[in-house]
This record gives sequence, C-alpha cells and structure tokens, in this order.
Amino acid sequence: EAQVTQNPRYLITVTGKKLTVTCSQNMNHEYMSWYRQDPGLGLRQIYYSMNVEVTDKGDVPEGYKVSRKEKRNFPLILESPSPNQTSLYFCASSFRVPTSGRAKNTGELFFGEGSRLTVL
Amino acid sequence: SQQGEEDPQALSIQEGENATMNCSYKTSINNLQWYRQNSGRGLVHLILIRSNEREKHSGRLRVTLDTSKKSSSLLITASRAADTASYFCATDLYSGGSNYKLTFGKGTLLTVNP
Repeated sequence: EAQVTQNPRYLITVTGKKLTVTCSQNMNHEYMSWYRQDPGLGLRQIYYSMNVEVTDKGDVPEGYKVSRKEKRNFPLILESPSPNQTSLYFCASSFRVPTSGRAKNTGELFFGEGSRLTVL
Repeated sequence: SQQGEEDPQALSIQEGENATMNCSYKTSINNLQWYRQNSGRGLVHLILIRSNEREKHSGRLRVTLDTSKKSSSLLITASRAADTASYFCATDLYSGGSNYKLTFGKGTLLTVNP
C-alpha cells in the first residue's frame, strides 16, 4: 500500500531533549516536505527536499534540521526542543514537481497521519 | 508566509446543499490544489488545477481558477455529512533549480449537518 509513515505519532518530551521524527515513503517520490500545523496558523512549511542530498528551508525552519540521505526517508530533527515547537507535524511526499502548464505529472502531495508533539 | 487565504473560515450547511469555498492568493502560480483534512488526520489531495485551466471537475467537486483575480473556488455539490472536514487550498510556484514552494492557506472548516 502506498503510504507515508511517520513515527512517533504522539510524543511528550521536555525542553532541550533532542528528538527525531522519522518519515518514510514507499512511492519512490523525489519530493518530500515537513509541515507544522497550529490553530489559527494553518500549515506552515518547515523544510523540503527536492531529492537525495537536496534540502531547503521553508517558511519556519528555525529550531529544526533535516537530512535526506536516502530517497525514501526524510527525518525531522529537533536538536533542543522548546515549548513553542509544540505542534502537529506532517510529512508529505510527491512524485515530481510539476513545471508550468504542460507537465503530466501532478504535484499531488501524499501526507502522513501526523505526529503530535508536546514539549514541556 | 501564507500565500493562499480561504474564505469563509467556517461554513455550516445542511445535507444536500451545495458548499462553496474560495481561495485567494498573492503571487503568480503554476498550479493550485485543494486538500481535505478530517479532524487531526493527514491531508488528502482532492484536485489540482493548472494555471492554464479555468475549470475542473471530479465527481461532486468543481474547481474554478481565475488567474486575473488570483482566486479559486471549490464547489461541493449535494453535500453529505461525510464531507464535514477542513478544506485547504495550496499554491505552488516552481522557479527552477531547487526553488519550489507549496504553501497552504488556513483552511475552511465545513460542517454538513444531517
């Protein structure tokens, strides 16, 4: 079954304790991305990756790191979590980035089920 | 920065009625997508409309795009209680190399009452 798998789904941690949220997709997608969702703010992009070893900052990258050593995995690392990183996190992947107009491939994102993180 | 903005923020209708949600955006785009999210779950892609398309249909969904007004609408016809969810528009802009941005609006919460 085609899917994006995130772990853990729920986590309560304390300030400063490093943690990693894993993300894996089995669809051979080049593009992967992390979002956080907060009430009243919608989804905001943290980091994205166009392909292996290619990553770039989104709108809210502060306090996060990512790596893309393999095509299927895109972990999100919080080196020193703080309470303002309490949020619902989503990983997403896409087969290919479409170019303007004539591309046949869609940029449809496939989302994981989310990881609810609480930092005390 | 938020690119798309949905309107209204919340919409409550009766089963069988049509629901219309709007999305406005600020800059030129390549494509616009609509997603659905059931409470606390991952988003699910509904439909993508390209910048050179004006209207697209998928089942009970109809999406329009007006690039001159930088706006899109999502129409759900003959709504059902199961359509209750948040709906998001997402705009993407690819300017070559690794410069690709896909940004979401804050969403419209649709409640369909039985």
